[in-house]
Amino acid sequence: GAGVSQSPRYKVAKRGQDVALRCDPISGHVSLFWYQQALGQGPEFLTYFQNEAQLDKSGLPSDRFFAERPEGSVSTLKIQRTQQEDSAVYLCASSRRQGLSNQPQHFGDGTRLSIL
Amino acid sequence: AQSVTQPDIHITVSEGASLELRCNYSYGATPYLFWYVQSPGQGLQLLLKYFSGDTLVQGIKGFEAEFKRSQSSFNLRKPSVHWSDAAEYFCAVGAGSGGYQKVTFGTGTKLQVIP
Repeated sequence: GAGVSQSPRYKVAKRGQDVALRCDPISGHVSLFWYQQALGQGPEFLTYFQNEAQLDKSGLPSDRFFAERPEGSVSTLKIQRTQQEDSAVYLCASSRRQGLSNQPQHFGDGTRLSIL
Repeated sequence: AQSVTQPDIHITVSEGASLELRCNYSYGATPYLFWYVQSPGQGLQLLLKYFSGDTLVQGIKGFEAEFKRSQSSFNLRKPSVHWSDAAEYFCAVGAGSGGYQKVTFGTGTKLQVIP
C-alpha cells in the first residue's frame, strides 16, 4: 500500500484481556519497528524485525508483550493479560532496506489502546 | 546509549512569526538526526533528516534545521509560521546498529499558533 496501515485505530479492553494489534507495512519494506507512545511522551522503541526475524526485542516491557511477523510483511503485536499501564498509542514504522542504517522510518497512524 | 532533550514542552507563536524549536542530543559518534511532526490522532511525519554533509538541512513545509556538533544541538526553524503548523514536534536521534537504526525520541514540543 501507499503507507503503513495499522488496525484497529482504537481498542478498548478490560484489564486482564488479551489484545492483538496489526501493522501492514509499506510493500517491500524489509525493516519493521514497533513503538509505544504514552500520553504526553515521545515514542519508545519496543521491537525490530528484519523480514521475519525479530532481531531486537529489548524494548518490550514485559513477557506479556509478544510480536511476530511470520511471513516478513504483516506484523502483529500481542499483549496478554493487559494492565492499565499498557494504555498508550502503539505505533508501527517500516523502512526500506536492511544493511543501511540511514533509512528513515515511515510511521502508521497508530492504535490507541485504552485499558479499563 | 543515545538520548534527546527537548527543553520546551509547549511553545506559542503568532501566525507569521518565526519559530525555533530546540533539541539537544547525546551520542558518542556522529548521529543520525531527525525531526518529526505529529498532528492529533496521526502518526509521525518526517520533516527532515541529517546524516552527514551540509549542516543546514532543508525539509518539507518550509522547515530547516542546523546541526551544531559543538553544541550537540539540532534546532528546527521556520521563518514564518502558518496556522496549519500547529502540532507536536519530535526530535530524534538514530544510532546505526546491526544494519538498522535504533531511534530515540525526545518528549516533544507542542506548538500552538495564534492568529
